[in-house]
This record gives sequence, C-alpha cells and structure tokens, in this order.
Amino acid sequence: QSALTQPPSASGSPGQSVTISCTGTSSDVGGYNCVSWYQHHPGKAPKLMIYEVTKRPSGVPDRFSGSKSGNTASLTVSGLQAEDEADYYCTSYGGGNNPVFGGGTKLTVL
Amino acid sequence: QVQLQESGPGLVKPSETLSLTCTVSGGPISSDYWSWIRQPPGKGLEWIGYIRYSGTTNYNSSLKSRVTISLDTSKNQFSLKLTSVTAADTAVYYCARNSGCYTWTQWGQGTLVTVSS
Repeated sequence: QSALTQPPSASGSPGQSVTISCTGTSSDVGGYNCVSWYQHHPGKAPKLMIYEVTKRPSGVPDRFSGSKSGNTASLTVSGLQAEDEADYYCTSYGGGNNPVFGGGTKLTVL
Repeated sequence: QVQLQESGPGLVKPSETLSLTCTVSGGPISSDYWSWIRQPPGKGLEWIGYIRYSGTTNYNSSLKSRVTISLDTSKNQFSLKLTSVTAADTAVYYCARNSGCYTWTQWGQGTLVTVSS
C-alpha cells in the first residue's frame, strides 16, 4: 500500500478539466511544500509535470497546474487533450530522508 | 538536454546481486544528485537511494542494508548494487536526476529486472 492515496482512475472528455488528488498526512504532504507530479506513458520515461506543489518546469503546458490544501495535493489538467492520457504519480518529501509516493492514477481521455 | 539510460542483466537469480548502470548524456554527472527508483509489477514507485556528485549517498531505510550506489565520473555513469535479492525485488528500475525537494527532473526509460531461478 502506497504512503500517499490517489484515486486509481480519472477521466474526462477532450476540452474538459480533470483534477487528481493526492492525500497524505501532516508528516508529508501537509508538512512540506515538496509535492511533485509525474506523467508516465507506459514504456517511456516518466516526465516531471509539477514540482514544489505549484511550479511548472519549462516546456510543460500551462494546462497543468498544482495546488495543496492541508494534507491533500491536487493536479488539475485543463483543456484535456488525447496526449494527456497517461498514468500520473504524486510524490512528497516524507521526513526522515525518505520521499513517499502515491499509487498512481490512470487518466483516460474519453 | 540531459538523458539517462539504464543497462544491466534482465534476469538475476535469488540470493545473488543485482547490478545496474545508468549512463548520463548531454551533461556532466559531476553536478546534482542522481537517484535509483523502482516499480514492482502492479505496484507503486519506491525510491531506492541517491548519490551526490561528491560521492555522498542516502538510501531508503528499508533497503539500506542491501544497497550500494556509486559514481564513475570518468564514464559519466552511476551504478546500483542490490545484494541478496528475492522475488520481491522484481521491478522496473529507473535512474533519475534529482533536484531539490526530492524532485526528479529527468528519468531513464527504465529496465525490467526479474529475480528468478
């Protein structure tokens, strides 16, 4: 069982918005602004989409945004596109030098 | 753009040592931090550990007794050794480049290692 809880699946139609949650505790998500999100197309290298809760690396579309409230972080994908269909993982610093991961969410574009 | 590529045996026998190498191209390995992360089939991601360009290491407490990560700056590579493997160590192993806050900015495509006799 993963330390951070993500819904196993999420879906939306092209052009819609979808939000994926990542719930931890005050010892990880709630305690640090060190949440990041990764997009993973099977067989390819995972890609960093959001870091430090809200920051977007160069080259990542502004359709992707991150936020946090209490012990829950969220990734929102606006204006869904077919290429957004992938697995998404959250991770957070968990104290004690170990990062913790979510179990992953499979995003389907209908 | 920095790129990473894992290499090593795809099959390891139980009780033996798993050895993987990550080759970094497009930039020097003599900066930043470099990690190994794995994903068992059907399960989530697990961080194994990192090595700093200075050679300082930090390992997942649950694997610490079996893991060694090392750096070869002359070849722009870093390596993973995991001893006394069991079937539970079967996973896709990724190498990745760290930045602060346990953020991994670039990843390799991953390599599947199966532990079986």
